[in-house]
Amino acid sequence: DAGVIQSPRHEVTEMGQEVTLRCKPISGHDYLFWYRQTMMRGLELLIYFNNNVPIDDSGMPEDRFSAKMPNASFSTLKIQPSEPRDSAVYFCASSNRDRGLANYGYTFGSGTRLTVV
Amino acid sequence: RKEVEQDPGPFNVPEGATVAFNCTYSNSASQSFFWYRQDCRKEPKLLMSVYSSGNEDGRFTAQLNRASQYISLLIRDSKLSDSATYLCVVNRGDSSYKLIFGSGTRLLVRP
Repeated sequence: DAGVIQSPRHEVTEMGQEVTLRCKPISGHDYLFWYRQTMMRGLELLIYFNNNVPIDDSGMPEDRFSAKMPNASFSTLKIQPSEPRDSAVYFCASSNRDRGLANYGYTFGSGTRLTVV
Repeated sequence: RKEVEQDPGPFNVPEGATVAFNCTYSNSASQSFFWYRQDCRKEPKLLMSVYSSGNEDGRFTAQLNRASQYISLLIRDSKLSDSATYLCVVNRGDSSYKLIFGSGTRLLVRP
């Protein structure tokens, strides 16, 4: 089991540039989540998908953020245009309903550390 | 009011000590409860689920009090390797798969 794979691990970009973060969930997991973590706000849920369909995007901060899941093995989170306040660690996580949320929770990827200068 | 509240700490304890963390949650409909551990600059990892009757995993014991909407984690015989941030986690409610994370309690275990 390769775990949840995120890329890139680190991203430094200039304000106004487009940033794309990528995630490959664990094979067979039918839920995928994007979280953002900052010192001030902790871990915030941005959006989650079930069977590739966005279920709840109420945590997406504004229209500059978008997320897609074109298939069961790939998701992207895009920020366009990026701003310094978007600097954070972005985590992707996946889960499998059949295993039961109560017992297994989520498995997180290693995260992408984004710095917007 | 935050949905999940924790004392940020840090808790600074000597090796071998027993330490307890508490957490309160606001949504009485929450059904799933967890403790996650997060090491510095790493991803959160599931430490243990929390069951209604309480549960134990080695040196770690978790308790749930639904009436008070309160979760606890007890660590016995602390090790240096226990130094980390401990995140209290609950689901949004009912069968929701949305997990809400507390801001975490930082534990430092000193030699």
